[in-house]
Amino acid sequence: GAGVSQSPRYKVAKRGQDVALRCDPISGHVSLFWYQQALGQGPEFLTYFQNEAQLDKSGLPSDRFFAERPEGSVSTLKIQRTQQEDSAVYLCASSSLGGRSNQPQHFGDGTRLSIL
Amino acid sequence: DQQVKQNSPSLSVQEGRISILNCDYTNSMFDYFLWYKKYPAEGPTFLISISSIKDKNEDGRFTVFLNKSAKHLSLHIVPSQPGDSAVYFCAASDDSNAGNMLTFGGGTRLMVKP
Repeated sequence: GAGVSQSPRYKVAKRGQDVALRCDPISGHVSLFWYQQALGQGPEFLTYFQNEAQLDKSGLPSDRFFAERPEGSVSTLKIQRTQQEDSAVYLCASSSLGGRSNQPQHFGDGTRLSIL
Repeated sequence: DQQVKQNSPSLSVQEGRISILNCDYTNSMFDYFLWYKKYPAEGPTFLISISSIKDKNEDGRFTVFLNKSAKHLSLHIVPSQPGDSAVYFCAASDDSNAGNMLTFGGGTRLMVKP
């Protein structure tokens, strides 16, 4: 399809395991964002890429969280040594222009992560 | 410290009537505002946006109003339809941030009754 694609849709892991979440943005979109959405709350910013450069990672909650976008297209969010508080929906969004431009972000359907 | 707030967690409206969803913000640096609609198990879908240089933007049944002095925006849906039932998120961005990351409110659940 033409939208943002995220996989897996659901992920269950035991506490302490590492997980990797994938995002395939809309083709040609320069900007890519990761957000975390806890139950009953709005999404919260984690990190931002412009092409392959990670320009803002101020929202990552700890050094257990790591994101990459090596070729400026697909991105992976990795969480090491998962904790129960990491349970949330992880949303990826992309937009067509980079830098200081007002363009709406388009979201994928998210990965629901449950840590047991 | 929530910079974007949606004080009504839910709203119930009769089909055909107007739905008004409200949003308040505290950061005076915000200059671009968006509304997203979210169905269960799906990602947020972009609805409509407004730049801080405007006070109104209209797209079909959806109109967004911005009152900068009050740091308040609202989304009007008229006429409301049962398919509009969803959670609506208000979001804002600050042009001084490199990527225009979005700051979201907590959402308002709209229920449109047939």
